[in-house]
Amino acid sequence: KNQVEQSPQSLIILEGKNCTLQCNYTVSPFSNLRWYKQDTGRGPVSLTIMTFSENTKSNGRYTATLDADTKQSSLHITASQLSDSASYICVVSAVGDYKLSFGAGTTVTVRA
Amino acid sequence: DTAVSQTPKYLVTQMGNDKSIKCEQNLGHDTMYWYKQDSKKFLKIMFSYNNKELIINETVPNRFSPKSPDKAHLNLHINSLELGDSAVYFCASSPMAGGSYNEQFFGPGTRLTVL
Repeated sequence: KNQVEQSPQSLIILEGKNCTLQCNYTVSPFSNLRWYKQDTGRGPVSLTIMTFSENTKSNGRYTATLDADTKQSSLHITASQLSDSASYICVVSAVGDYKLSFGAGTTVTVRA
Repeated sequence: DTAVSQTPKYLVTQMGNDKSIKCEQNLGHDTMYWYKQDSKKFLKIMFSYNNKELIINETVPNRFSPKSPDKAHLNLHINSLELGDSAVYFCASSPMAGGSYNEQFFGPGTRLTVL
């Protein structure tokens, strides 16, 4: 069964600090991995999409990495801001499958 | 604004009632989706339509019935609402079904509360 596990479940960081979120998956055959940001009360918004051949992708202060061999991805947030407080969801899709496999998300709280 | 829109944003209703949630996208996408997000924040796919054709139909009660009058609209009708139906329902759209860079764009969600 295709699964996506994220860690930690939640974390609190001080404004200006960096943090890294983890995503492990068992989805096979792998097609692509996405990180979404979901603000409270809003729909998820895509941050990055990576295919098998991509190891890293950045979107501003967000940098995602992918190790397709170990089936792991990370999302690094640099110089966090209060607006980074949100849930970050790892989503993986398999080749030939219309459905996406969602992780439960990591809730990030940035405090001043 | 180009976007995925849903109505209503909030829906409070009594058990046993029938209700509908509407979704529209003006992005020109071929594929639309309905997701349910429960209190644990997991997003679960319910249905997907590609060019008005049903391509994903997960195991959901048959009280839930999607309707796609055209490519830009996907509505969700729920009969005989139950307490367990309380959740946030998200509509999404993507340029096509599947594919490596097939990004899904989500609507703002509809918070359904069944009393």
